Amino acid sequence: GENVEQHPSTLSVQEGDSAVIKCTYSDSASNYFPWYKQELGKGPQLIIDIRSNVGEKKDQRIAVTLNKTAKHFSLHITETQPEDSAVYFCAASSHDYKLSFGAGTTVTVRA
Amino acid sequence: KAGVTQTPRYLIKTRGQQVTLSCSPISGHRSVSWYQQTPGQGLQFLFEYFSETQRNKGNFPGRFSGRQFSNSRSEMNVSTLELGDSALYLCASSSRLGRDEKLFFGSGTQLSVL
Repeated sequence: GENVEQHPSTLSVQEGDSAVIKCTYSDSASNYFPWYKQELGKGPQLIIDIRSNVGEKKDQRIAVTLNKTAKHFSLHITETQPEDSAVYFCAASSHDYKLSFGAGTTVTVRA
Repeated sequence: KAGVTQTPRYLIKTRGQQVTLSCSPISGHRSVSWYQQTPGQGLQFLFEYFSETQRNKGNFPGRFSGRQFSNSRSEMNVSTLELGDSALYLCASSSRLGRDEKLFFGSGTQLSVL
C-alpha cells in the first residue's frame, strides 16, 4: 500500500516568516495529494489539494508543489499568522482509492 | 450547507463492551469514509461506503464494522472493545466515489475505553 512520510514533526516559526512542510510517497500510481489543517478539538479541514497533472498550486498565502519524479510534495505557508498554528497533514490517494496520511506536523507561530 | 455531523462527541466505555458511532454526511454526499486517529498511529483508514455498499476496507480486525443507510447516513460499530481502541474516530464525506474526491471531515467522536 501507499506509505506517506512527513517532515518535520514540529515546526516553530516567527510570525511573518514562511513555513515549509515536506512529504514523500511510495506509490507512483498516486494521483491526488491533499493537505489538511487540524485545530484542537476539530476534525481535519482541507486547505489545498493538487492533482498529479499539476506541478504547483497557490491559494493566497498557501502553495503546494509536486515533484512526481522524486515522489515528493510540499506545503508552503507565507507570511505566517498566529491562526496558522495547528497540526498539518499531507495525504496521498493511491490506486486502491484509500487516502494515506502523513504523521502530521505541529506548526507553532510565535507572535 | 451543514457540515459532517458526528454523534456522540465523547464516549466512555469499558473493555468488552460494544459501541456504535453515527455520522451524517454533507447533504448530497453519497460517500462516507471512517478513519481512526491516535497519537501513535496517526490517521488510519477504516472503511468507505458508497450507495450503501462497502467499497473499500482498511487493515482493521473484524470487530470494526460499518454500514450506510439509504439516506447516506453511516454508522460504525466496534464490538468487544479493547483498551487500544481508544481514539478519535473521524467520519468524512465526499460527493462521489473516486481517488481524487475532496474529503470533508466531521469533528469526530472521542472514544475512551477503560
